[in-house]
Amino acid sequence: NAGVTQTPKFRVLKTGQSMTLLCAQDMNHEYMYWYRQDPGMGLRLIHYSVGEGTTAKGEVPDGYNVSRLKKQNFLLGLESAAPSQTSVYFCASSRPEAGSGLEQYFGPGTRLTVT
Amino acid sequence: LAKTTQPISMDSYEGQEVNITCSHNNIATNDYITWYQQFPSQGPRFIIQGYKTKVTNEVASLFIPADRKSSTLSLPRVSLSDTAVYYCLVGDKSSGNTGKLIFGQGTTLQVKP
Repeated sequence: NAGVTQTPKFRVLKTGQSMTLLCAQDMNHEYMYWYRQDPGMGLRLIHYSVGEGTTAKGEVPDGYNVSRLKKQNFLLGLESAAPSQTSVYFCASSRPEAGSGLEQYFGPGTRLTVT
Repeated sequence: LAKTTQPISMDSYEGQEVNITCSHNNIATNDYITWYQQFPSQGPRFIIQGYKTKVTNEVASLFIPADRKSSTLSLPRVSLSDTAVYYCLVGDKSSGNTGKLIFGQGTTLQVKP
């Protein structure tokens, strides 16, 4: 199993450009999450999904959109990138059993720089 | 979700036992205590979870007193490779929980030779 994979690993954008980050998991997990981590800080939840076709806002959703068209994929979009979105983005997933969301499996991260 | 408080940083030497204490005074009845480990340039990794008393696995032990207002992660005989950030989180494990986690700043453990 590859676990949770993220594409791309690095990206540099100019202000106003758009991009999509792809997260894929092969563990048949129902729940998926997108976090951002800024230097010296913990992770903050952007959006999450509890199943195919469903998404919900997390702690810092502004400026981001997500889609979960397939159970194994969770996409994070930036429509108009801003320097404040420079960060490391982590995707995670968790098992479908009730209450197992506390044990999340994380991807390797995407380092995004917006100039 | 209950708020947690843990030391910002700790230093240790190889071969020593390290104990990291987390305070969670407002923990609720359905809440579980979960610890994650994050190495530089990697995503966090789940290491241990518990509800009360003591839990041990191949990586660490977790001690939880009867009042559950704090917990201690114990790493036996640390090595340089245990240098990482350790996060304490508290969350509801009951049915219907979406698994939303709140990560604080964590404790940066530096193991020295």
